[in-house]
Amino acid sequence: GDSVTQTEGQVALSEEDFLTIHCNYSASGYPTLFWYVQYPGEGPQLLFRASRDKEKGSSRGFEATYDKGTTSFHLRKASVQESDSAVYYCALSGQGTGSKLSFGKGAKLTVSP
Amino acid sequence: EAAVTQSPRNKVAVTGGKVTLSCNQTNNHNNMYWYRQDTGHGLRLIHYSYGAGSTEKGDIPDGYKASRPSQENFSLILELATPSQTSVYFCASGAGGNNQAPLFGEGTRLSVL
Repeated sequence: GDSVTQTEGQVALSEEDFLTIHCNYSASGYPTLFWYVQYPGEGPQLLFRASRDKEKGSSRGFEATYDKGTTSFHLRKASVQESDSAVYYCALSGQGTGSKLSFGKGAKLTVSP
Repeated sequence: EAAVTQSPRNKVAVTGGKVTLSCNQTNNHNNMYWYRQDTGHGLRLIHYSYGAGSTEKGDIPDGYKASRPSQENFSLILELATPSQTSVYFCASGAGGNNQAPLFGEGTRLSVL
């Protein structure tokens, strides 16, 4: 079945550091890939999505590029802020699954001032 | 404004008791989902629905039932609650189509003692 792998469980950075959170997926065809962000006490909220190979999604300075060749959708931000501290989830919706998402295990980002 | 509302927000239940978690959406979305969130597992799909009267099993349905009596409402039912069902539960709604991003509620924290 469809699956998403996130390797970083915890990420600790200082303000202005560069962020990379890795996401690899397994699915047939062209799934839609998502990044969600979850702040304490809230539900996950969509950061952005991408549906086609080489498509770049971006929002609030975060970006990721859909790469079918390496089955990846890594999240990057050039300069993180303390307010970016949150849990980040990579997810996919397989073709024909009607927006039924499969999530990775999430990466908790902590940014220190 | 699009919204998914869960009730209760917090619940303490006894082992063997019946628990009902409720979800209401005002988005006129066809699809609704129940996920549970646990450290180290991310978000896992329990049940979902494509419309009023329909329920489908997700990835971890054992010990849970679901009910979709109307377009707006989707309930998760634990007939005989167990401590292993202590978790945070999220409801989401989506328009359908694999490029649609589900909208999440704020979650229900359930403790089974």
